[in-house]
Amino acid sequence: DARVTQTPRHKVTEMGQEVTMRCQPILGHNTVFWYRQTMMQGLELLAYFRNRAPLDDSGMPKDRFSAEMPDATLATLKIQPSEPRDSAVYFCASGRGRDQPQHFGDGTRLSIL
Amino acid sequence: DQQVKQNSPSLSVQEGRISILNCDYTNSMFDYFLWYKKYPAEGPTFLISISSIKDKNEDGRFTVFLNKSAKHLSLHIVPSQPGDSAVYFCAAQREGSNYKLTFGKGTLLTVNP
Repeated sequence: DARVTQTPRHKVTEMGQEVTMRCQPILGHNTVFWYRQTMMQGLELLAYFRNRAPLDDSGMPKDRFSAEMPDATLATLKIQPSEPRDSAVYFCASGRGRDQPQHFGDGTRLSIL
Repeated sequence: DQQVKQNSPSLSVQEGRISILNCDYTNSMFDYFLWYKKYPAEGPTFLISISSIKDKNEDGRFTVFLNKSAKHLSLHIVPSQPGDSAVYFCAAQREGSNYKLTFGKGTLLTVNP
């Protein structure tokens, strides 16, 4: 079965450092989503793309987070500068669109010290 | 404002019995609903979905029921197996939302042998 691939699986870094998380969506999927999972908030949508164009990034703290899709096989989520409150598991998901399930990667577990 | 609610944080069931997971929603514009299963250190895995034009959808041991008037859906697992032990997330999509999913906070199901 095709899967969404996320790298790295784990990242530990110090406050103030830049963090880049990468996602390879499933081939043929035209929508890509970034989520953050925390104990308090559950799964929060940060940003999403359709056909590589950003549709909504209202869930992201814009001063430090940025999401891009340089090509159809790669989506990136960057945090600069990182803060301890950014510690969470970040998931990428892709899908075919309306009334179709999103398929998730296994996440990047981020720890900011 | 939590639009999708899973009021039971956990549920414990004996192997072979029925597991019933519940989900309530507040937005009457939601018209597509999904259930995901999540094991530790993995991403959510799509399980089953239902469109608002239906009130039931079955896939093997899994059945989802939708009661639109009550804004309630449930997932039935029969018979429950120890491998079903996981966190189950309910999600909903709103018409005109550009494929965005709103998730509940999850219910931890434990199936005891």
